[in-house]
Amino acid sequence: QMQLQESGPGLVKPSGTLSLTCSVSGYSMTSGYYWGWIRQPPGRGLEWIGSIYHRGTTYYNPSFNRRVTISVDTSKNQFSLRLNSVSAADTAVYHCARHSYPSLGGSGDFDWWGQGTLVTVSS
Amino acid sequence: EIVLTQSPGTLSLSPGDRASLSCRASQGVDSYYLSWYQHKPGQAPRLLIWSASRRAAGIPDRFSGSGSGTEFTLTIRRLEPDDFAVYYCQHYGTSPSITFGQGTRLEIK
Repeated sequence: QMQLQESGPGLVKPSGTLSLTCSVSGYSMTSGYYWGWIRQPPGRGLEWIGSIYHRGTTYYNPSFNRRVTISVDTSKNQFSLRLNSVSAADTAVYHCARHSYPSLGGSGDFDWWGQGTLVTVSS
Repeated sequence: EIVLTQSPGTLSLSPGDRASLSCRASQGVDSYYLSWYQHKPGQAPRLLIWSASRRAAGIPDRFSGSGSGTEFTLTIRRLEPDDFAVYYCQHYGTSPSITFGQGTRLEIK
């Protein structure tokens, strides 16, 4: 069964860079899906950050104002998130997920998720 | 950007009841790109419904989705204790613009 597991520092200083990795097991990332990051600030709803295809095509939420980079390492079956210039507003639980992207015939939903990792931005 | 508004914010029901959760889009959307999720604290969100009415793999038929245009509904028949959670709708739009509703909390009455 497929599993997604987020990992990375749980505490980041303001103005620093948030870096997370999602390790995918039980499924090859090259098998025809996009892979995405979604976050949930405390007490708030879900927010899509961006998604990547195994060949490197990326789509980002414009609201992140070019602070975000998503990359993929198919040799490790992992993909990563970097968010620059973080502030307290970036404190959230960050989830990775498999994304059924319309350009590949999907309906845009996220059909497998990791349980998420809390990242706190604080000095 | 499409804004999804879910109602009610909180729904208090008893096991065995029927739940009806609403998701309203700020403008008409293609129902093919409308999904529903269940989320419990500390767990991975779970896809329930995709393309407005199609159940995801392993989802019991007590869960059903309907709607079109700007109005969508998730219905859960015969509520079980495990169903009490937060439910989100989500839309994929061009650009892309991927948005979630603010969620409906389904709590035990």
